[in-house]
Amino acid sequence: EPEVTQTPSHQVTQMGQEVILRCVPISNHLYFYWYRQILGQKVEFLVSFYNNEISEKSEIFDDQFSVERPDGSNFTLKIRSTKLEDSAMYFCASTIDPGINQPQHFGDGTRLSIL
Amino acid sequence: DAKTTQPTSMDCAEGRAANLPCNHSTISGNEYVYWYRQIHSQGPQYIIHGLKNNETNEMASLIITEDRKSSTLILPHATLRDTAVYYCIERRRNSGAGSYQLTFGKGTKLSVIP
Repeated sequence: EPEVTQTPSHQVTQMGQEVILRCVPISNHLYFYWYRQILGQKVEFLVSFYNNEISEKSEIFDDQFSVERPDGSNFTLKIRSTKLEDSAMYFCASTIDPGINQPQHFGDGTRLSIL
Repeated sequence: DAKTTQPTSMDCAEGRAANLPCNHSTISGNEYVYWYRQIHSQGPQYIIHGLKNNETNEMASLIITEDRKSSTLILPHATLRDTAVYYCIERRRNSGAGSYQLTFGKGTKLSVIP
C-alpha cells in the first residue's frame, strides 16, 4: 500500500541553524500538510498546500517557516532559524481531494531536536 | 480547540470488542467524523470516517447516533497491537481552498490487556 515517507527520521540541529524536513507524499495526492507534535502534547496543524501555494496556515507557521514542492515528488518544510521550542515531531500528510472526503494519510514523522 | 470530547483512557481485554465513545454535540450538518489512532512514536493512522450512516471497514466499525451528537468506534476483536491513542475529529472546511485541516484533541488512550 502506498505511504507517505519522511526523511530524516531524526534531525539534531544547533539553535539558530536552518533545517529542512523532507516528505514524499503518496504519488497521486494533490493536497499536502505539515503538522507538529511537541512531546506529550497534541498534534497541531501547521500548514496546508495545494496547487503550489499555501491554502491555510496556523499561528504557529510564522515567517521562520516555509514550505516548497521543489519537484513532482518532494514536499519540504524549512525552518530558517531554529529555536529550542521548535523541538518536536513533524508529520507530513497528503490526500487526493479532501473535498470528496478522502482522508489524510500521515508519514511516521521526523523528530527534530534543537540543542 | 477540538470540538469533540473523549474519555482520557480505557482498558480492553485482548480478543474482546473495544468500544470507544466520542461526543460531538456541536457538529454541523456537513461535517464528517473522522477517527485516527497514534501508536507510540508513529504518525496518526487513518481508521474510518462517517457522516450519518454507520460505516464498517477492515479495521473498525463506526456507529453514529441519529442526532449525530455522538459516535462509537468499535474494534471488534482487540489485539495488543491496537494499544494506541484514538482520536475522534470533526473534519471542518476552512476558508482556504483545499484546506480541511484536522484539529486533534487529546484522544483516548486505549490499553489492550492480555
